[in-house]
Amino acid sequence: DGGITQSPKYLFRKEGQNVTLSCEQNLNHDAMYWYRQDPGQGLRLIYYSHIVNDFQKGDIAEGYSVSREKKESFPLTVTSAQKNPTAFYLCASSIHGGGNTGELFFGEGSRLTVL
Amino acid sequence: GDSVTQMEGPVTLSEEAFLTINCTYTATGYPSLFWYVQYPGEGLQLLLKATKADDKGSNKGFEATYRKETTSFHLEKGSVQVSDSAVYFCALNEIQGAQKLVFGQGTRLTINP
Repeated sequence: DGGITQSPKYLFRKEGQNVTLSCEQNLNHDAMYWYRQDPGQGLRLIYYSHIVNDFQKGDIAEGYSVSREKKESFPLTVTSAQKNPTAFYLCASSIHGGGNTGELFFGEGSRLTVL
Repeated sequence: GDSVTQMEGPVTLSEEAFLTINCTYTATGYPSLFWYVQYPGEGLQLLLKATKADDKGSNKGFEATYRKETTSFHLEKGSVQVSDSAVYFCALNEIQGAQKLVFGQGTRLTINP
């Protein structure tokens, strides 16, 4: 079935360690996104990519990095510079970047806990 | 920048009650508006959308009408079920610059039998 796969579903990290969250889609979508979800704060955009080999910072990019070497993959690295990394991370994709349909398809999320 | 404000939660109702979750927005231009639903432990799913003023989006008994004059997109359902228990997010897509979705803070809905 087509969809977005995030892994791992749960991840524990010690302070000072970098960790990479995987996001793969087989929907042939051009655009991919990473959101962070904290209780009571909705979703906040970390990074997005509308085309391979190009990506843009979202509203809360500090302490995160991404790459987009393949259309189907958009991994997110949470670095040690991220001061409060414990959160639920959601990856999403859309058919195109730009335009005004705006429909996103989401993965099931990765919950990161810093010990 | 563009923003979305949702009704504060959590909201608790009895089965078959009428549901309204308020959503208002601030935006440059005329964005598309969306309601997404998140069931426990899962990602978000699109519930319904409206792309222009006075459009009504509907799905699974839920409805919302794009009201430009009041900058609102309130979610309604006439008779809720226990299975509707979830977190509901209102969102808009920014027209200026790159396409991004801006989300409200979410409203947790619990339906008791």
